[in-house]
Amino acid sequence: SAVISQKPSRDICQRGTSLTIQCQVDSQVTMMFWYRQQPGQSLTLIATANQGSEATYESGFVIDKFPISRPNLTFSTLTVSNMSPEDSSIYLCSVGQGTDQPQHFGDGTRLSIL
Amino acid sequence: KQEVTQIPAALSVPEGENLVLNCSFTDSAIYNLQWFRQDPGKGLTSLLLIQSSQREQTSGRLNASLDKSSGRSTLYIAASQPGDSATYLCAVSGNQFYFGTGTSLTVIP
Repeated sequence: SAVISQKPSRDICQRGTSLTIQCQVDSQVTMMFWYRQQPGQSLTLIATANQGSEATYESGFVIDKFPISRPNLTFSTLTVSNMSPEDSSIYLCSVGQGTDQPQHFGDGTRLSIL
Repeated sequence: KQEVTQIPAALSVPEGENLVLNCSFTDSAIYNLQWFRQDPGKGLTSLLLIQSSQREQTSGRLNASLDKSSGRSTLYIAASQPGDSATYLCAVSGNQFYFGTGTSLTVIP
């Protein structure tokens, strides 16, 4: 299976600032996803990162708050903008070759906002 | 919209016991079902994937079954060990992936 590197692994940020999270895969993948996991809860899909075009966002998530880039088939970034304490979560990148194929996850980014 | 539920939410067992984790989903139109393990503060590790046409998959001490028509899957862990302590998540795949609420497992030495 693909090896996924996610950076940073954790960060503590000030309210109102922005942070960009990187997801690098060691092989080309069709699909890349970004999830949020709030404390004590399950995973919520933020968006599907589309190579060379705008990401597809789920209900409740907007591009201005969570801009996503995917310049090629092995790399994507998620930015959390204008952060507030409510954004404190684990952010996870996952990859797969299609919804009929297994997903694989990075180790996640644990984000705390003061 | 697909809803995925896992019961129980938490489970504590003595080492060596066999145990079953449950996952139910509301829409049977799925491609596959995947079981994951998550250690505290970490990402998800894939354990087993069952395609919609399959009934079960086995890996070591783990056995996962799928009854698509009734919207149920079980993860059976044999001879549990303290190292099995983690949160176990199931996810079903349709037009996107839907995750369950998780079962937090503690295996007591």
